[in-house]
Amino acid sequence: GQQVMQIPQYQHVQEGEDFTTYCNSSTTLSNIQWYKQRPGGHPVFLIQLVKSGEVKKQKRLTFQFGEAKKNSSLHITATQTTDVGTYFCSSDSWGKLQFGAGTQVVVTP
Amino acid sequence: GAVVSQHPSWVICKSGTSVKIECRSLDFQATTMFWYRQFPKQSLMLMATSNEGSKATYEQGVEKDKFLINHASLTLSTLTVTSAHPEDSSFYICSARDGGGGIEQYFGPGTRLTVT
Repeated sequence: GQQVMQIPQYQHVQEGEDFTTYCNSSTTLSNIQWYKQRPGGHPVFLIQLVKSGEVKKQKRLTFQFGEAKKNSSLHITATQTTDVGTYFCSSDSWGKLQFGAGTQVVVTP
Repeated sequence: GAVVSQHPSWVICKSGTSVKIECRSLDFQATTMFWYRQFPKQSLMLMATSNEGSKATYEQGVEKDKFLINHASLTLSTLTVTSAHPEDSSFYICSARDGGGGIEQYFGPGTRLTVT
């Protein structure tokens, strides 16, 4: 399957600050999906990127797919305490998701 | 959005016993469901793909005789952990995609299994 590596694995952010989590693959990805998992919860779909160089925004979240379709990033501006959780990228191959290790985000007020 | 339920939400069992976990799509039909396992502070690992009316397909390294999957209807898949051992203790999560062509996968709330 298409494996993805994610960095950093842990991100400590002050409320109001921005941060970025990155997802990388050694092979070209057909697509990239991002999920958020709150502590004790289950993954919730955020977005899917398919096109080379694609950029999508959801309020304070900006998702980007690299030109070579081998990397992706999630940038969150003005972090809020509600952003706490683990953010996973994954590649979708016929419905089968291969998840990255995730970035655990902790926000301090 | 679509809803996927899981039952039970948590279970404690003794070593050597079997445990059945149910995954249901409540408001859509799912010809395919997926089972994942997640250890504490780790990522989700795909275990198997559950196909309605046919055999499940397992990922490399997952024992099909230990993790029995049955997908008897378009809204129900079950995972049975047979002869459970403490190392099987984990968070088991199922997911499904609405057969109507949507890209989004919907995850169940998960089942926390503890084997003593």
